[in-house]
Amino acid sequence: AQKVTQAQTEISVVEKEDVTLDCVYETRDTTYYLFWYKQPPSGELVFLIRRNSFDEQNEISGRYSWNFQKSTSSFNFTITASQVVDSAVYFCALSEALSNFGNEKLTFGTGTRLTIIP
Amino acid sequence: GAVVSQHPSWVICKSGTSVKIECRSLDFQATTMFWYRQFPKQSLMLMATSNEGSKATYEQGVEKDKFLINHASLTLSTLTVTSAHPEDSSFYICSARTGQMNTEAFFGQGTRLTVV
Repeated sequence: AQKVTQAQTEISVVEKEDVTLDCVYETRDTTYYLFWYKQPPSGELVFLIRRNSFDEQNEISGRYSWNFQKSTSSFNFTITASQVVDSAVYFCALSEALSNFGNEKLTFGTGTRLTIIP
Repeated sequence: GAVVSQHPSWVICKSGTSVKIECRSLDFQATTMFWYRQFPKQSLMLMATSNEGSKATYEQGVEKDKFLINHASLTLSTLTVTSAHPEDSSFYICSARTGQMNTEAFFGQGTRLTVV
């Protein structure tokens, strides 16, 4: 069974501080995919990143960066120089890789509510 | 990215009535659509997976007769909450994928259902 754990329920930081959101996952699959989504107060889910299990390179996109470490089954997300607009709930998710493409289900973590204080 | 449109954004209905929620992929063909339910301050729980032209696959514990899912075309899936009760009040969100290998799922904006 797959499981995603986001131990941080809520985080508050002052604007311009850096913040790291933790994600730990469990899976028996050797091939899998990890995702991060942002859910602002309006409710929609905004895709941030997808990473496959064979690619352990860290990724940076503007103020966002991701640290994938298979050895610790972690896929952490860092926001540098945080801004008020970053306030949202962030979900980490995991999906298996199936032969019938497109049917892979996402298992979500419980989410981390991030509040950036002006 | 691709756009998934969900309608309505919010709905209030009386207990005992049925409510239909639509999920449309606007600029791509979605061979698979997923329906999730999210209670306040909780995570998204997958309810069912629907493939175009076939019966939906429901997750354990989800009543298929209560949550009717129809995926009649490659751009439209509907979720009907039948005989709604206050405990069905929740945020329902759909996502859609193409048939390509593990592309990201595109999510609709969600529907907040309140049953009174």
